[in-house]
Amino acid sequence: NAGVTQTPKFRVLKTGQSMTLLCAQDMNHEYMYWYRQDPGMGLRLIHYSVGEGTTAKGEVPDGYNVSRLKKQNFLLGLESAAPSQTSVYFCASSLGFNQPQHFGDGTRLSIL
Amino acid sequence: AQKITQTQPGMFVQEKEAVTLDCTYDTSDQSYGLFWYKQPSSGEMIFLIYQGSYDEQNATEGRYSLNFQKARKSANLVISASQLGDSAMYFCAMREGDTGRRALTFGSGTRLQVQP
Repeated sequence: NAGVTQTPKFRVLKTGQSMTLLCAQDMNHEYMYWYRQDPGMGLRLIHYSVGEGTTAKGEVPDGYNVSRLKKQNFLLGLESAAPSQTSVYFCASSLGFNQPQHFGDGTRLSIL
Repeated sequence: AQKITQTQPGMFVQEKEAVTLDCTYDTSDQSYGLFWYKQPSSGEMIFLIYQGSYDEQNATEGRYSLNFQKARKSANLVISASQLGDSAMYFCAMREGDTGRRALTFGSGTRLQVQP
């Protein structure tokens, strides 16, 4: 019973490099979300999706892009990584917007 | 203005005692939901309990209960009979009904330490 799976779990990038974080869920959830968590803070929403083929901006979308080509996958892209994007990234999914969100284990990303 | 305020950065409680973690929220929506999540040191986010704005009864899930006071805009988490495994960060979060965002706004969290 995988739930929400994030890959990779850890990554170190150099400033200016690009990368994609993958989130996969096997619960047939419509809604998917990407958050970032910085030290001593709660989670902040980057982007979210309310269904296959849809995406929308959250609270801190700058510097990130997302895609939801398949219902089970939600990709987060960094086109040109910056040190300010060093953070722990969490993906989550929910059956409906009023349902609990199920989280992945997080991706720890460091940008040097 | 902060949407979710958790005023206790850290709390200590003795094992087997009850503890209340505070959460106040700010919204003009009539329909909203309040969630509590636990984040152990291992980092994962674990859903604990949910309260809808129209729910008349306080939510309960095992040792967790939510003390919902709508007029005061507070949604405090009560953990009864604390266990050592309850030591973790606890986050209060809110989903607002008509914003279109359909995502959660999180508070800054409370670190709970259960002492033997």
